[in-house]
Amino acid sequence: RKEVEQDPGPFNVPEGATVAFNCTYSNSASQSFFWYRQDCRKEPKLLMSVYSSGNEDGRFTAQLNRASQYISLLIRDSKLSDSATYLCVVNGREGAQKLVFGQGTRLTINP
Amino acid sequence: NAGVMQNPRHLVRRRGQEARLRCSPMKGHSHVYWYRQLPEEGLKFMVYLQKENIIDESGMPKERFSAEFPKEGPSILRIQQVVRGDSAAYFCASSPAGILNGYTFGSGTRLTVV
Repeated sequence: RKEVEQDPGPFNVPEGATVAFNCTYSNSASQSFFWYRQDCRKEPKLLMSVYSSGNEDGRFTAQLNRASQYISLLIRDSKLSDSATYLCVVNGREGAQKLVFGQGTRLTINP
Repeated sequence: NAGVMQNPRHLVRRRGQEARLRCSPMKGHSHVYWYRQLPEEGLKFMVYLQKENIIDESGMPKERFSAEFPKEGPSILRIQQVVRGDSAAYFCASSPAGILNGYTFGSGTRLTVV
């Protein structure tokens, strides 16, 4: 089983729509959770951390379910500029210093 | 306030040559991580270093690959006798201490082996 699993997509949604991504992780001891965004042929960039209580940053909402080992990202009122690959990230099995990346979910926002 | 600096941005090597990839962490960051991204795949951890120490190299191939982070100067990822399968984007990331706030990545080095 992969340490971090995501639906690779692609997701194609119209501008203004709400879209949600899910991710599951295998290490129940993981303590740090993030969503990164990667544009084509660019480096990954931190979108937001994910906290146990859930957190929001503008149009983006992240939630964590420790019991189910499940992380989600919700994007409201999607913009064309939201088109990217979204990477679910958790700290690794062997210790807290290594981050493990999911394969990513590709999102395209259509005008 | 420069971010994580990687060079070169693009590197072309013939099979059997050596590739040296450099990474200068953000100012004040003492932890460096190298990741590899093969075409159409996710990022795979390679190695985690602090100054003069390799902390975790569990993702490094057993042969031909090595990494260092000397007391002075950038971190170096070295690939000897490159093969076509080494063609990938190599990303370096840094953090001040731990991963509480995630990493900051450099723009990567795209290695092409011909």
